[in-house]
Amino acid sequence: AQSVSQHNHHVILSEAASLELGCNYSYGGTVNLFWYVQYPGQHLQLLLKYFSGDPLVKGIKGFEAEFIKSKFSFNLRKPSVQWSDTAEYFCAVNTKTAGNKLTFGGGTRVLVKP
Amino acid sequence: EADIYQTPRYLVIGTGKKITLECSQTMGHDKMYWYQQDPGMELHLIHYSYGVNSTEKGDLSSESTVSRIRTEHFPLTLESARPSHTSQYLCASSTIRDSPTDTQYFGPGTRLTVL
Repeated sequence: AQSVSQHNHHVILSEAASLELGCNYSYGGTVNLFWYVQYPGQHLQLLLKYFSGDPLVKGIKGFEAEFIKSKFSFNLRKPSVQWSDTAEYFCAVNTKTAGNKLTFGGGTRVLVKP
Repeated sequence: EADIYQTPRYLVIGTGKKITLECSQTMGHDKMYWYQQDPGMELHLIHYSYGVNSTEKGDLSSESTVSRIRTEHFPLTLESARPSHTSQYLCASSTIRDSPTDTQYFGPGTRLTVL
């Protein structure tokens, strides 16, 4: 069975700082990778996803993630954060053998100070 | 506007009560899911459905049950609530069965507290 780990539970940074959130998964086969975000009081929503092709994926609101197969990683990045990026971020993976059911990491709570 | 709805948003209830958490989506999606999330923890899949009259248990064992009589509706029921059921319950839906482009859309969640 696949699993997902997110290295940081909480991240605090100032506006304009760069953000990188780690995500590692354990599964030896083909995976589909996702980052979801939950802003305060809002639904969990998709930020970006990777299925195949270019391992550098661009999502909404200036976020991007890089799939590094050899490291089983799918880290999320944003060069310059804004106060509105304060949210909880979840990495998730699915595989065909799991019937495409999503497995989520524990989430990283990001606080951007104005 | 197409969306996914959950009611109630918050529920505080006593031990032993029967409760039903509602989930409806207006996107015409075949697949629907229930996740359980404790504060600061992962989302764990507890139930899913590929369509009407299809229900399966997820990765995390749960005492709850679900039904799928209509495509748009996927309620979750606890016959006798206990404090250990206190958690947030998230409903989701997705559009394409067994496809790598399957993106799940989430409802706002129901925060359940059992006293």
